[in-house]
Amino acid sequence: DQQVKQNSPSLSVQEGRISILNCDYTNSMFDYFLWYKKYPAEGPTFLISISSIKDKNEDGRFTVFLNKSAKHLSLHIVPSQPGDSAVYFCAAVISGTYKYIFGTGTRLKVLA
Amino acid sequence: NAGVTQTPKFQVLKTGQSMTLQCAQDMNHEYMSWYRQDPGMGLRLIHYSVGAGITDQGEVPNGYNVSRSTTEDFPLRLLSAAPSQTSVYFCASSHTLPGTYSKEQYFGPGTRLTVT
Repeated sequence: DQQVKQNSPSLSVQEGRISILNCDYTNSMFDYFLWYKKYPAEGPTFLISISSIKDKNEDGRFTVFLNKSAKHLSLHIVPSQPGDSAVYFCAAVISGTYKYIFGTGTRLKVLA
Repeated sequence: NAGVTQTPKFQVLKTGQSMTLQCAQDMNHEYMSWYRQDPGMGLRLIHYSVGAGITDQGEVPNGYNVSRSTTEDFPLRLLSAAPSQTSVYFCASSHTLPGTYSKEQYFGPGTRLTVT
């Protein structure tokens, strides 16, 4: 039972355009959400996070949106750069715990 | 400041063998965790610890043991390796400061394990 779902295994975007990566979740006990980026043969690196008390968080070119009623979050990257090409994972944390549940990842390719 | 380090980088085991994957962090993080990454499955939490002497199970704990005797180290033990444990293993750590939502985890570079 996949509690955190990333339904698009891959996404291609032209350099300079917006990349939108999506994530859906089923567990209403999640209260914190994170996005990680992973290059081949490296560990994931943290990008941006959002608490369930917010609906938007921005950090430079990265913005995460949370729609609690739809149990949906998205990561926007504007403008996209070739160096953004990587696998992106969303993750959620169960309230009151440190149990992180990850999605299956979306491979983003930014075309120059 | 080395961050999170993992050894070995690669390992091949025969079915039934045992081994320990090492993880260490030098950031004085209270929280440490182990994940495995399999194709199409994302990262799945195996075990985690919120401090020395405290461990708990994640999503896929069967076949793995952990202990946390120091803040810095969090080894993962495979007692009797099985082909189903072929995977890439990541260790991660973070602070667990009370009242903070800063739950960013720092990951190690991973250990690629093959069980034949």
